[in-house]
Amino acid sequence: DQQVKQNSPSLSVQEGRISILNCDYTNSMFDYFLWYKKYPAEGPTFLISISSIKDKNEDGRFTVFLNKSAKHLSLHIVPSQPGDSAVYFCAALGTGGFKTIFGAGTRLFVKA
Amino acid sequence: DGGITQSPKYLFRKEGQNVTLSCEQNLNHDAMYWYRQDPGQGLRLIYYSQIVNDFQKGDIAEGYSVSREKKESFPLTVTSAQKNPTAFYLCASSPIDYDGPNNEQFFGPGTRLTVL
Repeated sequence: DQQVKQNSPSLSVQEGRISILNCDYTNSMFDYFLWYKKYPAEGPTFLISISSIKDKNEDGRFTVFLNKSAKHLSLHIVPSQPGDSAVYFCAALGTGGFKTIFGAGTRLFVKA
Repeated sequence: DGGITQSPKYLFRKEGQNVTLSCEQNLNHDAMYWYRQDPGQGLRLIYYSQIVNDFQKGDIAEGYSVSREKKESFPLTVTSAQKNPTAFYLCASSPIDYDGPNNEQFFGPGTRLTVL
């Protein structure tokens, strides 16, 4: 039973355009959502997070949107750069919890 | 520099042998985790620990064992009972913030285990 789902295994975007990575979740008790970025043969690194009391969080080129009613969040990267090519994992956890549930990841290709 | 280290980066073992993967952190984090990543799949939790001398099974604990004798260290043993041990293993640590969102995990560089 996947509580966090990333239904697109891959995404290809032209450099300079917007990348939109999507994530759906099933557990309404999740309070925090995070995005991690992973390069091959390396550990994931934290990118951006959002609390369930917000609907948007922005950090430079990265913006995460949360739609609680739809149990959906998305990561927007604008403008996309070739160095953004990586696997992006969506993750979720509940308040006071620390056990993070990860999605399967979406591989982003940014073409120069 | 603060961080989390895993060694070795690549490990080869014969089938039937137990092997221990090292994970050390100097971030003073209370929680530590072990994940496994297989091609085309996300991160699956093997074991996690909130405090020294205590740990809990994750989603795929069968064939694995851990110990947490020190806060800084959380070694994972892949036993011969693990049916498909060849994978990329990731260790992570995080603070435990019961009141807020500061539970982001910091990952090590990973160990790729190949069982021949």
